[in-house]
Amino acid sequence: SQTIHQWPATLVQPVGSPLSLECTVEGTSNPNLYWYRQAAGRGLQLLFYSVGIGQISSEVPQNLSASRPQDRQFILSSKKLLLSDSGFYLCARKGNTEAFFGQGTRLTVV
Amino acid sequence: GIQVEQSPPDLILQEGANSTLRCNFSDSVNNLQWFHQNPWGQLINLFYIPSGTKQNGRLSATTVATERYSLLYISSSQTTDSGVYFCAVEGGGGADGLTFGKGTHLIIQP
Repeated sequence: SQTIHQWPATLVQPVGSPLSLECTVEGTSNPNLYWYRQAAGRGLQLLFYSVGIGQISSEVPQNLSASRPQDRQFILSSKKLLLSDSGFYLCARKGNTEAFFGQGTRLTVV
Repeated sequence: GIQVEQSPPDLILQEGANSTLRCNFSDSVNNLQWFHQNPWGQLINLFYIPSGTKQNGRLSATTVATERYSLLYISSSQTTDSGVYFCAVEGGGGADGLTFGKGTHLIIQP
């Protein structure tokens, strides 16, 4: 199977605290990996994508960063969270055709 | 970048009714997918359909790539069909990530 693991499922963090969300995939080698954010229950925005270890492309300048330390691991981070970072974060993988998504992390910054 | 427009934004139907959801996109694409987002936020893959027609049970989809639109048909709606339906496309080299429409919020009433 080509499973995507994301954790945690929900997270409540204070403003100014750091963030680390982890995504790991199984069953595939050298996948393209993506981080998306969904705010206000509608529309997903692409944040970062990676075509290989250490290769990160950013779509939107913001308070977040991403890293890919291993082939099947993709990490989303922040040094200091803002209220506007609240949202639903989804990791996705893609091979030659369609993309598949993990179950997401719902982040609330308070 | 590619623009994706979905219509209608909201749709309320009685159980058993049929529906057609539309997705227009602004440029040529090499990937087009339809997703159903369930109440827990998970994105369920419905169709990978950059062109042509596919059917899966009560659902079917058609993409006319030359005219830059795709249609999702739901027949004999059930309450479990409720949720948000997203169309997402990818152009370019195929690694840049999906661009999502804002979705159609479908409510099926018993």
